[in-house]
Amino acid sequence: DGGITQSPKYLFRKEGQNVTLSCEQNLNHDAMYWYRQDPGQGLRLIYYSQIVNDFQKGDIAEGYSVSREKKESFPLTVTSAQKNPTAFYLCASLARLAGGPGSYNEQFFGPGTRLTVL
Amino acid sequence: GQQVMQIPQYQHVQEGEDFTTYCNSSTTLSNIQWYKQRPGGHPVFLIQLVKSGEVKKQKRLTFQFGEAKKNSSLHITATQTTDVGTYFCAGPGEYGNKLVFGAGTILRVKS
Repeated sequence: DGGITQSPKYLFRKEGQNVTLSCEQNLNHDAMYWYRQDPGQGLRLIYYSQIVNDFQKGDIAEGYSVSREKKESFPLTVTSAQKNPTAFYLCASLARLAGGPGSYNEQFFGPGTRLTVL
Repeated sequence: GQQVMQIPQYQHVQEGEDFTTYCNSSTTLSNIQWYKQRPGGHPVFLIQLVKSGEVKKQKRLTFQFGEAKKNSSLHITATQTTDVGTYFCAGPGEYGNKLVFGAGTILRVKS
């Protein structure tokens, strides 16, 4: 089955530690995204990547880093510089057909990782 | 920058009542999408609207795209407990390289 996988589902981190969240997709999508969601809140964009070896900062990139060495993989590192990292992290990829009126931009989300800082 | 605003933030309804959430963009959109996130889950794509004034239905859900392509709505007729969750609208960003999401409307249904 095609889809997006994220691991781990739950992650506990001690203050001062860096942690890396995994995101893998087998949908052959070029674009991938990381969002942060706090309880009862919307989605905030952390980083995104349109193509391998390239990525851009989103709205809340401080304290996070990413890499995009393979099309299928877009790991997110939460560094010790992120002051309040406890949140639900969602990875997504974008299906993009040819442009024009018929272009189709459904975004597929992974199941998410819940990060808690102890 | 481009903003997508969504109201209301929360809505509690009695089972069987109708529900509507509204989405307004600061810019004209080429298309708009709606997603549903069940409690504890991840957002799932519901539908995309492309044409000015477009109306689409999925069973009890009716989606509308405004004539000016800057606003949209999702209406649920006769809500059920299975409708609970957060509903998000989203439109393409200024350069088409990302989606800009509304803050979402949390729907709670009392049985």
